Amino acid sequence: AQSVAQPEDQVNVAEGNPLTVKCTYSVSGNPYLFWYVQYPNRGLQFLLKYITGDNLVKGSYGFEAEFNKSQTSFHLKKPSALVSDSALYFCAVSAYNNNDMRFGAGTRLTVKP
Amino acid sequence: NAGVTQTPKFQVLKTGQSMTLQCAQDMNHEYMSWYRQDPGMGLRLIHYSVGAGITDQGEVPNGYNVSRSTTEDFPLRLLSAAPSQTSVYFCASSLQAGAPGDTQYFGPGTRLTVL
Repeated sequence: AQSVAQPEDQVNVAEGNPLTVKCTYSVSGNPYLFWYVQYPNRGLQFLLKYITGDNLVKGSYGFEAEFNKSQTSFHLKKPSALVSDSALYFCAVSAYNNNDMRFGAGTRLTVKP
Repeated sequence: NAGVTQTPKFQVLKTGQSMTLQCAQDMNHEYMSWYRQDPGMGLRLIHYSVGAGITDQGEVPNGYNVSRSTTEDFPLRLLSAAPSQTSVYFCASSLQAGAPGDTQYFGPGTRLTVL
């Protein structure tokens, strides 16, 4: 079965600096990869996804992610962090459709002024 | 569109009590799902539905029942609550059941505590 690892529970960055939230995956066949963000006491919001095609995926709020098949990674990046980016970020993978989707444990991003 | 709505936002139950968590979507989505979110474990799929009258089990279905009589509604029932079911529950929906890479849209969640 597919799985996702988010190796960092917590990521701290200063406002204006670039940020990276890491995600690695394991799946048989081609992966469908997602990033979601959760603000306090809210549901998950979709940021971006990779299905096929260009390895660099651009999403909402200036976020992007790079699909790296050889390293089985899908790291989330942003060139310049904002305090308002502070939230819990989830990476998810499926092999076929939403029935088999697996989420990572989440990474809490804190952006300090 | 209201999107995906869930009620109640908070609930406290005693062990053995039953309750139903409500979920509705107004986007005419085929696919609906229920997840639970526990600290350090991410989200885990409880049950899902690919259309009215069709439901199936996800990763952690024990202790939960679902039904889908209409496209819009997908309630989750706890028949006899246990402390292990203390969690935050999210309902989600996506446009096409079975479509690879289809984006799910999540409700605001229900925080359930079982004493």
